[in-house]
Amino acid sequence: AQSVSQHNHHVILSEAASLELGCNYSYGGTVNLFWYVQYPGQHLQLLLKYFSGDPLVKGIKGFEAEFIKSKFSFNLRKPSVQWSDTAEYFCAVNAKTTDSWGKLQFGAGTQVVVTP
Amino acid sequence: NAGVTQTPKFQVLKTGQSMTLQCAQDMNHEYMSWYRQDPGMGLRLIHYSVGAGITDQGEVPNGYNVSRSTTEDFPLRLLSAAPSQTSVYFCASSKTFQRGGLPEQFFGPGTRLTVL
Repeated sequence: AQSVSQHNHHVILSEAASLELGCNYSYGGTVNLFWYVQYPGQHLQLLLKYFSGDPLVKGIKGFEAEFIKSKFSFNLRKPSVQWSDTAEYFCAVNAKTTDSWGKLQFGAGTQVVVTP
Repeated sequence: NAGVTQTPKFQVLKTGQSMTLQCAQDMNHEYMSWYRQDPGMGLRLIHYSVGAGITDQGEVPNGYNVSRSTTEDFPLRLLSAAPSQTSVYFCASSKTFQRGGLPEQFFGPGTRLTVL
């Protein structure tokens, strides 16, 4: 079955530390890739997306992600986190099958806690 | 624009009761969907719609009904609530599938449902 895997369910780090969250998917064809963020008590919002072109995409709040097709990965990074980055982060994939696009599939999410 | 709105924010039901979660959007989006969010499982698609009068099942449709009589509204009905339906429910909307796949989703604030 097609799936989206996020390697870490819970990450705790200090302010100014670097963050990298892993995301792997099992679809073999064309994919659109997304990272969404859910701040405490808020709804999900888009951090960044990849559809085509430069595999290194930049999003809001200093986040970036790199699409590595050969590794079926779309890891999220931020060089220096702030306390306000405490949130849950979701990777999502929309894959194209033979002739049509499928549904949006989410990973299980990674809870990130940034300590002062 | 109000974006995607959901009511109620919180609801407690007894097993066997029925209720409707409301979702509305004012962005003229064709695509609307319902997800449930459970700890460690990410967001799972319940039902979706690509336009008025058209709905389809997602990953976890059992126990839920939807209809789409207008572009703006996409209510989710729980026919006979069960404790397993305790969850946070998110509605989302976007422009519909395009040649390049499903675009960014806009999420509502969620409904936290508890079934006793």
